[in-house]
Amino acid sequence: DAGVIQSPRHEVTEMGQEVTLRCKPISGHDYLFWYRQTMMRGLELLIYFNNNVPIDDSGMPEDRFSAKMPNASFSTLKIQPSEPRDSAVYFCASRWTANEKLFFGSGTQLSVL
Amino acid sequence: SQQGEEDPQALSIQEGENATMNCSYKTSINNLQWYRQNSGRGLVHLILIRSNEREKHSGRLRVTLDTSKKSSSLLITASRAADTASYFCATDAAQAGTALIFGKGTTLSVSS
Repeated sequence: DAGVIQSPRHEVTEMGQEVTLRCKPISGHDYLFWYRQTMMRGLELLIYFNNNVPIDDSGMPEDRFSAKMPNASFSTLKIQPSEPRDSAVYFCASRWTANEKLFFGSGTQLSVL
Repeated sequence: SQQGEEDPQALSIQEGENATMNCSYKTSINNLQWYRQNSGRGLVHLILIRSNEREKHSGRLRVTLDTSKKSSSLLITASRAADTASYFCATDAAQAGTALIFGKGTTLSVSS
């Protein structure tokens, strides 16, 4: 099993640009989570999906952030327009209903200049 | 919102010593989990303890849970340099399907 796959691994962009982060969960997992990690705020939950349906997006910072899960094997987190304060490591994680254990991807290090 | 809070924020020990990290949380839970994060990597699940359990062991790890105090501890015995990492507790709310909320973690440094 390849685990949770995130791309890109690193992203450097300029303020105002659109950024799209991608995630492929582990096959068979029916929950997918997006977290953001910074030194100041730690690991914050942004949004999570169950069976491709968004369940709780209350952690999404503002309207500039959006997330989709068009099918069971793919999710995107989009930031438009990006700002320097969005710089962080963004993690995707997945699990299945029968097991509360989360599996994390390696993260995307986002730097907005 | 922050549910779990780890203590201490940082811990430095020598190889062979035991490391104890604590976690406090605010609301009722179904279970509490501990994760480890090596520098530049994603989090890896270590151990899960359910709300009706008081202690659990896995190899050199021992986790305790006190629901009356809303606290948990993670003990790593006979630590090794390879245990150097950040350790996070995570809790869910006491209802099905909710997400894990993580604390800010304890950074453990084990020197040889």
